Amino acid sequence: DVKVTQSSRYLVKRTGEKVFLECVQDMDHENMFWYRQDPGLGLRLIYFSYDVKMKEKGDIPEGYSVSREKKERFSLILESASTNQTSMYLCASSSWDNGYGYTFGSGTRLTVV
Amino acid sequence: SQQGEEDPQALSIQEGENATMNCSYKTSINNLQWYRQNSGRGLVHLILIRSNEREKHSGRLRVTLDTSKKSSSLLITASRAADTASYFCATSYYQLIWGAGTKLIIKP
Repeated sequence: DVKVTQSSRYLVKRTGEKVFLECVQDMDHENMFWYRQDPGLGLRLIYFSYDVKMKEKGDIPEGYSVSREKKERFSLILESASTNQTSMYLCASSSWDNGYGYTFGSGTRLTVV
Repeated sequence: SQQGEEDPQALSIQEGENATMNCSYKTSINNLQWYRQNSGRGLVHLILIRSNEREKHSGRLRVTLDTSKKSSSLLITASRAADTASYFCATSYYQLIWGAGTKLIIKP
């Protein structure tokens, strides 16, 4: 019963390419989040959204943008991929009640060459 | 910005033993959550404890929260090889703020 789906598990892109990472949730959650995870740095919040067409910057938004046209879908866009954006990207969703914490996708390991 | 700090950073125990991980945080919270991450995978929510709760159980998991000391502990009893993973605490006020994780290895 997959609840948060990230479109790719592994992705290899070239420097300068525009990269789209897609995330879809089927739990009707209001809130969606994009994190990146790097060894020794833990999880860092890139962007989040509390509602459709809403977006808020997290701790490290530079070089990224997001789109939330529908409640169930939250896309992360790397406008011009760079090698320092090689990382594990994790999407998560939650409801306002937050009684059950965040639900994460399986992650996308992006390599920029 | 990290608020939670897990302790220890790494823990290696024999299968069947109990594993205890600690989390300290700095500011006020609404709740504290524990997550598990298997190597190269997404995080799985384990348990949430609200700021007005002191202890919570879920199967082999026991979580305590001491808001006066700004700390929480996660106890896994009768550990199994499948418990090998990284464990993260995250504190919630308006957003989740994450610790760096404890890497737990269960030796068969």
